[in-house]
Amino acid sequence: QVQLVESGGGVVQPGRSLRLSCAASGFTFSSYGMHWVRQAPGKGLEWVAVISYDGSNKYYADSVKGRFTISRDNSKNTLYLQMNSLRAEDTAVYYCASPPAWGQGTMVTVSS
Amino acid sequence: NFMLTQPHSVSESPGKTVTISCTGSSGSIASNYVQWYQQRPGSAPTTVIYEDNQRPSGVPDRFSGSIDSSSNSASLTISGLKTEDEADYYCQSYDSSNQGVFGGGTKLTVL
Repeated sequence: QVQLVESGGGVVQPGRSLRLSCAASGFTFSSYGMHWVRQAPGKGLEWVAVISYDGSNKYYADSVKGRFTISRDNSKNTLYLQMNSLRAEDTAVYYCASPPAWGQGTMVTVSS
Repeated sequence: NFMLTQPHSVSESPGKTVTISCTGSSGSIASNYVQWYQQRPGSAPTTVIYEDNQRPSGVPDRFSGSIDSSSNSASLTISGLKTEDEADYYCQSYDSSNQGVFGGGTKLTVL
């Protein structure tokens, strides 16, 4: 069955970097676009970024543009989110998704 | 900026039918697919409708999606309500710059 498993979350100081990973299985990963979506504590869902099936097209939310980079390695069936210059407002659960599939999320806390 | 507006909350009794709306702020909501996600407290979202009206396997046919171009809105209809349907529901689509957009979410109470 389709499975998406995120990892790499944790507590990080403002201004530092973190890289999230999302391991995919149960489907042909290289054929589908992939998204990152986040949810701050007690808030709604916020779309973060999307990458096309082959990595040639990438789009970002204005709130992360220039700081976050989405990428993928189709040989490893893995999606990434490189997060630089982290801010307190980036604190959230980060989900990878390729609708209809979703992962379970990984928590990122930005705090000094 | 393109926005999707949902009612903050809706409530209905078990066995009844409820419809949650998702209205686009500009352009044509029919230009890009709309998805609907269910999120129960403490859990990750799951997809109940994708590509306007497609149900993933395992989602009961009590869930249906539609687009109304005249009102520039999408709708999620849940019939035969069950207490397990109580959750937050989010619509999602894309703007003209290919950025994803979520509605603010609707809390469904089944009582």
